[in-house]
Amino acid sequence: AQSVAQPEDQVNVAEGNPLTVKCTYSVSGNPYLFWYVQYPNRGLQFLLKYITGDNLVKGSYGFEAEFNKSQTSFHLKKPSALVSDSALYFCAVRDTGSNDMRFGAGTRLTVKP
Amino acid sequence: DGGITQSPKYLFRKEGQNVTLSCEQNLNHDAMYWYRQDPGQGLRLIYYSQIVNDFQKGDIAEGYSVSREKKESFPLTVTSAQKNPTAFYLCASSIGQLRDEQFFGPGTRLTVL
Repeated sequence: AQSVAQPEDQVNVAEGNPLTVKCTYSVSGNPYLFWYVQYPNRGLQFLLKYITGDNLVKGSYGFEAEFNKSQTSFHLKKPSALVSDSALYFCAVRDTGSNDMRFGAGTRLTVKP
Repeated sequence: DGGITQSPKYLFRKEGQNVTLSCEQNLNHDAMYWYRQDPGQGLRLIYYSQIVNDFQKGDIAEGYSVSREKKESFPLTVTSAQKNPTAFYLCASSIGQLRDEQFFGPGTRLTVL
């Protein structure tokens, strides 16, 4: 069975600084990994995914994530944070051969001006 | 929120009543999903459907029921058997392959009075 952990409930960064939102996963096979963002009282929006190939994945709004198989991690990063990046971020994993996707508990990112 | 609509946005229910949440998509996606979101718990899968007239239980299916009579529609009924139904409900769809990301609707917030 697959699982995903987001070890930080809250991440605070200053505008213009780099940001990292952490995610670790556990699967029995090969993972499909996803990042989503949620703004208040809205559905989730897809940011990026790792399926195979290059470990560095680039996505929407300047976000990127690095797949690290040895550390079973898929951290979300952005070189320069914006106040508008403030939201709830979810990491998700799907094991190859599994129909359902597992979501982390979410990390609330706050970018201060 | 793409081509997925959920209605109503807010729903109030008295204890002992069944209510049905609507989810419609015009993305021609085969797979559809229902999640429940509670604060600090991420998303939990209630039911999913990979194809019309077929659906499977997720982790927390007790007290819920679904139907998939049309490709575009996947309504969720919250029955009186669901002991703690107050939550934010999210519907999602995907093309259907395991590597595909999910597209989410705007959500329905259900409150039991």
